[in-house]
Amino acid sequence: GAVVSQHPSWVICKSGTSVKIECRSLDFQATTMFWYRQFPKQSLMLMATSNEGSKATYEQGVEKDKFLINHASLTLSTLTVTSAHPEDSSFYICSARAPGGGGYTFGSGTRLTVV
Amino acid sequence: GENVEQHPSTLSVQEGDSAVIKCTYSDSASNYFPWYKQELGKGPQLIIDIRSNVGEKKDQRIAVTLNKTAKHFSLHITETQPEDSAVYFCAARADSSASKIIFGSGTRLSIRP
Repeated sequence: GAVVSQHPSWVICKSGTSVKIECRSLDFQATTMFWYRQFPKQSLMLMATSNEGSKATYEQGVEKDKFLINHASLTLSTLTVTSAHPEDSSFYICSARAPGGGGYTFGSGTRLTVV
Repeated sequence: GENVEQHPSTLSVQEGDSAVIKCTYSDSASNYFPWYKQELGKGPQLIIDIRSNVGEKKDQRIAVTLNKTAKHFSLHITETQPEDSAVYFCAARADSSASKIIFGSGTRLSIRP
């Protein structure tokens, strides 16, 4: 079945630095990937839709200059949290839609802690 | 935009009993309704989904029902087992080029031995 790989699984960074999270579709091509953020004991909130070869579409209230998304190939999307602050600490999850109108497959998530 | 409401937020059932989680959606154009199971520290895993041209779907102990008129859909888990304990999310996708799915608030299901 469709597999989405996300790395790293966890990362700790200092306040003010930037962190890059990778999302790869391993056995299929994904023209569209999605990035979610999940705070403890809360639901997944869609941050942006990543489109291969074009600009990402951000949800209302998400700062595009802070959360940089690059979808340079059909199998890789990256999310860079720039100038991270403690309030950016969260669980970040990517997903992609399997080909042929299949369901959405999610990565295993990245636990970001900003200290 | 789409809004998905989910109830209850927590649910505790005796092992072997059934569990039911209910969701409502706001966008009548939504046509795809997946259910996900999320274990601690992991990404969501699809457990079952239903499309708007179907009223019910079953996969072993798991079933989903959809009432398009009322904009309700429900997850039914029968003969619950300890490994069913997790957080369950419903979601909905509108029929648009964006293809994004919106999640409900989640239900923490606990199975009592």
